[in-house]
Amino acid sequence: GAGVSQSPSNKVTEKGKDVELRCDPISGHTALYWYRQSLGQGLEFLIYFQGNSAPDKSGLPSDRFSAERTGGSVSTLTIQRTQQEDSAVYLCASSPLSGGNTEAFFGQGTRLTVV
Amino acid sequence: AQKITQTQPGMFVQEKEAVTLDCTYDTSDPSYGLFWYKQPSSGEMIFLIYQGSYDQQNATEGRYSLNFQKARKSANLVISASQLGDSAMYFCAMREWTGTASKLTFGTGTRLQVTL
Repeated sequence: GAGVSQSPSNKVTEKGKDVELRCDPISGHTALYWYRQSLGQGLEFLIYFQGNSAPDKSGLPSDRFSAERTGGSVSTLTIQRTQQEDSAVYLCASSPLSGGNTEAFFGQGTRLTVV
Repeated sequence: AQKITQTQPGMFVQEKEAVTLDCTYDTSDPSYGLFWYKQPSSGEMIFLIYQGSYDQQNATEGRYSLNFQKARKSANLVISASQLGDSAMYFCAMREWTGTASKLTFGTGTRLQVTL
């Protein structure tokens, strides 16, 4: 497909386990963003990638959260030792450039439930 | 300070009427972009309209227009002739450029309900 693809679409995990969320951006998009959206809330910025580097990690809530991007393409968000407050929808977006009027295209999100 | 402020948690509008969703922003950068997204109950994020900080005219896209008041740092979304399908969450967002980095920050959203 031509859109941003996220997997899995749903993930239920036990408290304390590690999870990996994957984002496959639109081909050629250099900018990639991760957001977290709790039920009925706005989008909380987590991290931004420009190519493979992450110039802005300011939104990662704790050191249990990490993310990487390889080959300027696929990105993985890892949450270690998951807690119940990590339950949310994790949204990924990509953009052709880092600036200008290029809107960010969003994936469908991964709904994470920590039980 | 919040970068993007949406002060209306919820709004109601009658079908076929116009509605304005408020958004104010805070930045010291001269170059920035403002976006509006729609999120229906399905959860997808749908891009609606964009306004650049140097654009002289207000952006318009079909029934959507952006009332950009730079001095007041506001970028309100106007939806004309509301339809039932417009019922959704609406998010205002700002992109800032800091040299090589770009950050896209969202407001808390406004839930719009269109009634008959």
